[in-house]
Amino acid sequence: GAGVSQSPSNKVTEKGKDVELRCDPISGHTALYWYRQRLGQGLEFLIYFQGNSAPDKSGLPSDRFSAERTGESVSTLTIQRTQQEDSAVYLCASSPSGGQGYGYTFGSGTRLTVV
Amino acid sequence: SQKIEQNSEALNIQEGKTATLTCNYTNYSPAYLQWYRQDPGRGPVFLLLIRENEKEKRKERLKVTFDTTLKQSLFHITASQPADSATYLCALDADTGNQFYFGTGTSLTVIP
Repeated sequence: GAGVSQSPSNKVTEKGKDVELRCDPISGHTALYWYRQRLGQGLEFLIYFQGNSAPDKSGLPSDRFSAERTGESVSTLTIQRTQQEDSAVYLCASSPSGGQGYGYTFGSGTRLTVV
Repeated sequence: SQKIEQNSEALNIQEGKTATLTCNYTNYSPAYLQWYRQDPGRGPVFLLLIRENEKEKRKERLKVTFDTTLKQSLFHITASQPADSATYLCALDADTGNQFYFGTGTSLTVIP
């Protein structure tokens, strides 16, 4: 597509429920990234995909967080047993390759609120 | 661990003036540095990338410098306009090469 698309744009969930966040990157972009942005804070790296593999999962905060990517396209970030501290905007970005010479194209994010 | 610092206070300038934003970093030597613009409720938008062997990069009214000795990047917007009002983020590549680390951003308001 023309840009990175994320869905849903907003999600309110009860504490303890599972949520799935979806990212559709730009077609042909092999690198895909998930970041988290808490209110008033910077972007916190979660995970990086090159193709369908995730060579760097170092930012996932706990084993409640997982992500997958299929068809070198769509990625899903899953948060199990959500907690209030999970409330944040979850941003997805893609770039043409995993090299550092490219800027990232971000989606508009999913605003997750855990009540 | 890596640390990135941007102007913590919001920056207000008069329309037509040059805005200068600062990004300082410690504890490592990035090969790439990027600047992004972020508007409320939106994802960051890529503006410029500069490599460690480049001292300066320009794009239209934007100019970025990268001083690896001072461990600092300056981001300039010349002839600023109210439409330039946004939060500007700097980002540096991680040692692993797998991601960029982002600063917390500087809020810029251009007053008509």
